[in-house]
Amino acid sequence: DAKTTQPPSMDCAEGRAANLPCNHSTISGNEYVYWYRQIHSQGPQYIIHGLKNNETNEMASLIITEDRKSSTLILPHATLRDTAVYYCLQARQLTFGSGTQLTVLP
Amino acid sequence: GAVVSQHPSWVICKSGTSVKIECRSLDFQATTMFWYRQFPKQSLMLMATSNEGSKATYEQGVEKDKFLINHASLTLSTLTVTSAHPEDSSFYICSARGGALFNEKLFFGSGTQLSVL
Repeated sequence: DAKTTQPPSMDCAEGRAANLPCNHSTISGNEYVYWYRQIHSQGPQYIIHGLKNNETNEMASLIITEDRKSSTLILPHATLRDTAVYYCLQARQLTFGSGTQLTVLP
Repeated sequence: GAVVSQHPSWVICKSGTSVKIECRSLDFQATTMFWYRQFPKQSLMLMATSNEGSKATYEQGVEKDKFLINHASLTLSTLTVTSAHPEDSSFYICSARGGALFNEKLFFGSGTQLSVL
């Protein structure tokens, strides 16, 4: 069973920030949180991962709560090409939840 | 960076034939690889865990004689769909875990769309 929970869908206006939440209350102390996204008929694409500290790369930022039971993926300036299903995973998790369908609107 | 290569990207076959899908880890060794299938508008479903040099571990409800997995080397796992039928039509994805060096990151192949006529 999936160990993470995410809202099924979100909309975001093009150019605005998209904030995607994830609950991972069963995460272990030394277990990373990973975020992937999947565009139709493609394999999941790695976005970012983190352990305790907030992380930023060229694609996104990751905010992890102090208790590590939840995190938020931030796409600072969403574009139409960011429309995809976004998944968060605990590092040792192999089963995917339903993810969040992000739709970026023009 | 580490990459997982999956081939073919798509395949069409006749009912009753077998289809082999390859998954290769590039630039790293993968003692464990994973096979998923995905139906339209659904999430990825784990089918089996492929272990180098030993038998694969199948998830409940997945027929091991139907979906043959071979992991003969540290960089190659294959999934063979035997006697394929239209209900086997699906999107198949492989992944490999990068290990401690990669903080247990999962690397995914680009997927294989199988259509059985």
